[in-house]
This record gives sequence, C-alpha cells and structure tokens, in this order.
Amino acid sequence: AQRVTQPEKLLSVFKGAPVELKCNYSYSGSPELFWYVQYSRQRLQLLLRHISRESIKGFTADLNKGETSFHLKKPFAQEEDSAMYYCAPSPSNTGKLIFGQGTTLQVKP
Amino acid sequence: DVKVTQSSRYLVKRTGEKVFLECVQDMDHENMFWYRQDPGLGLRLIYFSYDVKMKEKGDIPEGYSVSREKKERFSLILESASTNQTSMYLCASRQGGYGYTFGSGTRLTVV
Repeated sequence: AQRVTQPEKLLSVFKGAPVELKCNYSYSGSPELFWYVQYSRQRLQLLLRHISRESIKGFTADLNKGETSFHLKKPFAQEEDSAMYYCAPSPSNTGKLIFGQGTTLQVKP
Repeated sequence: DVKVTQSSRYLVKRTGEKVFLECVQDMDHENMFWYRQDPGLGLRLIYFSYDVKMKEKGDIPEGYSVSREKKERFSLILESASTNQTSMYLCASRQGGYGYTFGSGTRLTVV
C-alpha cells in the first residue's frame, strides 16, 4: 500500500544539538517530496520542497531513493524550531499531497 | 498577505445538523483540498477539486460532500454532523507543481 511514515511522534533535543526527523515513503515512480511545519497557533506552512534543493531556516532534506526516505536535518537546533513537522510526498501526476502522522520537535533550552 | 481564508475559526454544532465550511483563495489556483487534522493521525484528505464543478474523493469522504461553483471558493459540507466529525478542518490550494497554501483551519466541535 502507498503510504508515508514518520516513525517518531515526539523528538526532544537540547538547543544546539543536531536534529533528524525521519520520513519513509512507499510510492512508485518519483513523487515530489515536501516538508511542512506548523508552529504553535499558526497555520501549516511549506518548509521545503525537494526539487528546489533549498535550505530553509537551516533545515535540509536528503532524498534517498534506494531507501525511499526523505529525512529532515538541521545541524544545530534552536528553541524556535519547536513545532510539528509533516513529511508530505505528492504521488506523480496526482496533484495531491499525502501527509505523514507528524513529528513534534521539542527543543529544550 | 492572507491568501487562503476559512470563514470560521471555531464552530460548535449539534449532532444531525448540516454544516457548511467555507474556504476562499485569492491566488487563482485551480486545485483546492479539504483535510481533517487529528492528533496521531496527521492530515487526512477528504475531498479535492481540480477545477470548477469538479471534485474527487480523497481517503475519507464518507459523511462529507463538497461544492465548487466558483474557482476561488471550495465548500465542505457535513450532511448530518456526528460526534466523530469533531476535528480541525484545513483547506488548501495549489497551483502546478508548487506546494500547498493552507488556511488557518476551522475547529469544529459536534455535540
């Protein structure tokens, strides 16, 4: 079955520590891949999309086609990074985004 | 700078009521989507629309319907609200290969 999995519901790190939020997907073809973020009391917003290869707020995401993973990384976490993060592949030619269950990142001072 | 607007931030409705959730976007996007967001389940797609008067079922369409009479407006309808439809409802629009733009959400409570 086609699905996306974020195995961690909660990831808690100290400020300055590296962060990796995991995402695995099982879609055939070459889906577009996105990460979305939702800060407290704010709307969901696009963090980054794989195709643009951007680095937003210090985050990057590496696509591993062999492992079908798209993990989100940041070398030094900041307290303002505390939020809910969603991985969202878009299966080819569908226009839809399929969201993972989300991972809450908690960055402690 | 707000581009996707959901008409209500909070709604409380009674079981059995017909409920309308409205979403308007001002970006001339063709694609619009309705999701519900529940803790531990992430976002689940209810319905989406590629164009005016077109609609497609998502993963959990049961108990819902939609209407898209104009390009900028996409309405979600709960035909007969039930308590298990208590949730946060998110509307989004998308153009081409770019990511979604989300509304701020409507938190619906069915009592």
